Amino acid sequence: AQSVTQPDIHITVSEGASLELRCNYSYGATPYLFWYVQSPGQGLQLLLKYFSGDTLVQGIKGFEAEFKRSQSSFNLRKPSVHWSDAAEYFCAVGSKSSGDKLTFGTGTRLAVRP
Amino acid sequence: DSGVTQTPKHLITATGQRVTLRCSPRSGDLSVYWYQQSLDQGLQFLIQYYNGEERAKGNILERFSAQQFPDLHSELNLSSLELGDSALYFCASTLEDGDTEAFFGQGTRLTVV
Repeated sequence: AQSVTQPDIHITVSEGASLELRCNYSYGATPYLFWYVQSPGQGLQLLLKYFSGDTLVQGIKGFEAEFKRSQSSFNLRKPSVHWSDAAEYFCAVGSKSSGDKLTFGTGTRLAVRP
Repeated sequence: DSGVTQTPKHLITATGQRVTLRCSPRSGDLSVYWYQQSLDQGLQFLIQYYNGEERAKGNILERFSAQQFPDLHSELNLSSLELGDSALYFCASTLEDGDTEAFFGQGTRLTVV
């Protein structure tokens, strides 16, 4: 069964600092990997996705993520965090063989210090 | 705006009651997914419909059921509600079965009192 681990429940960074959110997955084949963001009271917005090809993917809002097969990781990064990035971030894994349903991690809540 | 519409946004009901949550997928999307987000279980897949037919089932309780109508909107029916059913229920849609980029609605927050 596929699974996703986000080891950090809460992270606090200062505005302007760099950010890295960790995500590790477990899946037998090549997974499809996603990062979603959820602002308070809002739905899930897709930040970026990896299906195949270049292992460094660029997303919206200045985010990027790197797929590392050897480490089963798909960490999310941003070079300079803005106060508006405060939200909860979810890593998810899916594939055609799973019926396209997504398996989500438990989320990382990001706080930004002014 | 993802293009996926969920109604109502908030729902407060008593234990033992039955509610219906509605989802309109993005225009042209054939596949609809329901997810439950709760504090103790996180985000969990409940059920998927594709073009009116049930395609996949996840951790959906027997008290819950869903359907997708000919106009492709979907409804999630929750009955004999318990306090533990309080959660945020999301609908997501994709263009085709096998299309893994899902677009999520803003969710329906259900509070059972």
